Amino acid sequence: KNEVEQSPQNLTAQEGEFITINCSYSVGISALHWLQQHPGGGIVSLFMLSSGKKKHGRLIATINIQEKHSSLHITASHPRDSAVYICAVRSPWGGSEKLVFGKGTKLTVNP
Amino acid sequence: GAGVSQSPRYKVAKRGQDVALRCDPISGHVSLFWYQQALGQGPEFLTYFQNEAQLDKSGLPSDRFFAERPEGSVSTLKIQRTQQEDSAVYLCASSPPAASEQFFGPGTRLTVL
Repeated sequence: KNEVEQSPQNLTAQEGEFITINCSYSVGISALHWLQQHPGGGIVSLFMLSSGKKKHGRLIATINIQEKHSSLHITASHPRDSAVYICAVRSPWGGSEKLVFGKGTKLTVNP
Repeated sequence: GAGVSQSPRYKVAKRGQDVALRCDPISGHVSLFWYQQALGQGPEFLTYFQNEAQLDKSGLPSDRFFAERPEGSVSTLKIQRTQQEDSAVYLCASSPPAASEQFFGPGTRLTVL
């Protein structure tokens, strides 16, 4: 079982819809990252959070440490939001800064 | 400013060939990571450097994989005697001191025939 599980795997929405992508993890973490990957491979960091909620433009990320769960929300979705969204966690132990990634959620927003 | 760069962007190798993949991190970034991303999967950790010290290589899948960062800046990931299962995108990321955010390069897509 992967340490980081994302749902759904694939998501298709109409422009303007509210989007939610979920991430659950099974280990203790020091931080959780939401990343965006466009076709061609480039990965961009969207959020890094260890508690609460962060907002940037139309994107909102929340985390519940007790429930080991995070959500990424996109309000007023647009076709340019189409990408793979990846959740990744960093463990506080072992001295390594490495990230453990989920498999990603492929989002397609149709006009 | 310049981001993380990787070269080559695409590499085709015949099975059994050795390959070397290069990563130029953002200037001043202490930490450097290599990840492997198979098609349709999330990235998986390979190895991690802090300056020139390789602090974690637990993700390297076999002794055919070797990484170095001799001067604490540019890093090279070398794969010896490539196999078809090595086909993947190899991602490099760097991180500044005392920060958790990682900045990713565009990746090198390796195809082993």
